[in-house]
Amino acid sequence: RKEVEQDPGPFNVPEGATVAFNCTYSNSASQSFFWYRQDCRKEPKLLMSVYSSGNEDGRFTAQLNRASQYISLLIRDSKLSDSATYLCVVKNNAGNMLTFGGGTRLMVKP
Amino acid sequence: DAGVTQSPTHLIKTRGQHVTLRCSPISGHKSVSWYQQVLGQGPQFIFQYYEKEERGRGNFPDRFSARQFPNYSSELNVNALLLGDSALYLCASSLAAGHDYGYTFGSGTRLTVV
Repeated sequence: RKEVEQDPGPFNVPEGATVAFNCTYSNSASQSFFWYRQDCRKEPKLLMSVYSSGNEDGRFTAQLNRASQYISLLIRDSKLSDSATYLCVVKNNAGNMLTFGGGTRLMVKP
Repeated sequence: DAGVTQSPTHLIKTRGQHVTLRCSPISGHKSVSWYQQVLGQGPQFIFQYYEKEERGRGNFPDRFSARQFPNYSSELNVNALLLGDSALYLCASSLAAGHDYGYTFGSGTRLTVV
């Protein structure tokens, strides 16, 4: 079983749609969680950290369920510019290593 | 302020050769990590260095080595290249090691082994 698992997609959605991505992680002792965004042939960029209480940044909402070892990302009112691969990331206990999921590809169409 | 800089941006090598990739972290950042991203997959952890010491090592063969210099820049070395080493090699910079510090990635070195 992979340490961090994501549905690879692609998710094809029209502009203005709401889309949700899910991710599961295997190490119950993990403490830090993130969503990164990666454009084609570019480096990953931090989209947002994920907290147990849930957090929102504009159109983006992240949730963490520690009991189920499950992380989610909700994107509301999708824009063409949201088209990218979204990477679910877990930092290990020592805080020295990021473990990435395989990424979920999102394509927003006009 | 310069972000994380990596060189070269692209590289083509032949099987069996050796390669050295370079990374300069953000000014003031003391930790550098290296990741390998094969096409279609998420990045995989190779090494972390902090204050010139290795603080973590991923599941990579001994052909992979790295070091960090007094100015906090870093080199990743790969010996006896295999076709499977073809990937995007990413360097990540952080202020220090530990949970409280975020990572900023460089734009990577794209290595092709033929």
